Amino acid sequence: DIQMTQSPSTLSTSVGDRVTITCRASQSISSWLAWYQQKPGKAPKVLIYKASTLEGGVPSRFSGSASGTEFTLTISSLQPDDFATYYCQQYAEYPYTFGQGTKLEIK
Amino acid sequence: QVQLVQSGAEVKKPGASVKVSCKASGYTFTNYYMHWVRQAPGQGLEWMGIINPSDGSTNYAQKFQGRVTMTRDTSTSTVYMEVNSLRSEDTAVYYCARRGTSGYCIYWGQGTLVTVSS
Repeated sequence: DIQMTQSPSTLSTSVGDRVTITCRASQSISSWLAWYQQKPGKAPKVLIYKASTLEGGVPSRFSGSASGTEFTLTISSLQPDDFATYYCQQYAEYPYTFGQGTKLEIK
Repeated sequence: QVQLVQSGAEVKKPGASVKVSCKASGYTFTNYYMHWVRQAPGQGLEWMGIINPSDGSTNYAQKFQGRVTMTRDTSTSTVYMEVNSLRSEDTAVYYCARRGTSGYCIYWGQGTLVTVSS
């Protein structure tokens, strides 16, 4: 199975901060990576797919990039609604594995 | 609009089985694979497997092979996920999620809490 190592697990941040979350795949997954946002008690919501394509309706402050097997989710200026948990997922091959998650907390 | 509506919460005893349903609407049911993902309390997301509603073919994560069965009913646009031999570690919220243009999960059900307790 492809392992997805996500970091950090928790990030204390403030409104207006630039935030970067990293996900590293244990082998090549090309660009078959998605990022999700999950709020407590809710289903996840896709933000980005194919490593850098913004899902419709997602604010442009969210962006994704890739370099080899390392993937990054960037929030350019954190908004109050962005405090949530974020997950990466590879969908290059079965099983489609998730990262462990990154929780954004208010500093 | 695409909607995935899941069945209600369940409480089961260890060793029992549970079958969760996911009724799809707003798109052509047989055109898109459906994922199942679970989340134990306070934990991360875990991909369980996927079903092709067109022909019923499935792919399960190794961890769930032999204990999980995914099926579909095209007449009602519903997919099902059954877990056998439940144990306390299976206590989780189970989600169905429709595949996007490629393999990611674009639309999600509301989740079904399955509690396994004696």
